[in-house]
Amino acid sequence: DQQVKQNSPSLSVQEGRISILNCDYTNSMFDYFLWYKKYPAEGPTFLISISSIKDKNEDGRFTVFLNKSAKHLSLHIVPSQPGDSAVYFCAARKITSGTYKYIFGTGTRLKVLA
Amino acid sequence: ETGVTQSPTHLIKTRGQQVTLRCSSQSGHNTVSWYQQALGQGPQFIFQYYREEENGRGNFPPRFSGLQFPNYSSELNVNALELDDSALYLCASSLKINEKLFFGSGTQLSVL
Repeated sequence: DQQVKQNSPSLSVQEGRISILNCDYTNSMFDYFLWYKKYPAEGPTFLISISSIKDKNEDGRFTVFLNKSAKHLSLHIVPSQPGDSAVYFCAARKITSGTYKYIFGTGTRLKVLA
Repeated sequence: ETGVTQSPTHLIKTRGQQVTLRCSSQSGHNTVSWYQQALGQGPQFIFQYYREEENGRGNFPPRFSGLQFPNYSSELNVNALELDDSALYLCASSLKINEKLFFGSGTQLSVL
């Protein structure tokens, strides 16, 4: 049961253009959403998050949008830079029996072309 | 500030053996979670430790067990290794039980 889905395994974007990474979820009990970036041979690093009570959060070049009615999350990177090339995971948090669990998508590999 | 560190970075075992993976949490973080990331998949929750007690578990069999020590470092033990246990094992710590995760670089386990 894949509660968090990233349907695009890969994405290529020209440097300077916008990168849009998408994520869909099925569980309406998720209360917090995050994006992580992962380089090869490193662990995921936190990028940006959004609470379920908001619809947008911005941090520099990164903006996350949440559409609760559509159960859809997106990450916008503007402008894209070659150093942004990495695998991006969306994650959603739910509380189960007092435990905060994070459910991750399968990731989208972003390649920013110089 | 020291981040999350894991050891070893790589490990090769044979089926049926046992393995112990180690993790030092980020300074001040009292919660440690372990995740398994199989090839082409996202990290999957194994379990979480808070103040030395297991505080939640994912869909993993009992042969996956763990410990958290008074200094908040942690171990993941896997008994009776199976080929499907081959994966990247990620440790993550958080400042509080409900806060975002900070990951280590992982231990790549290969079971032959």
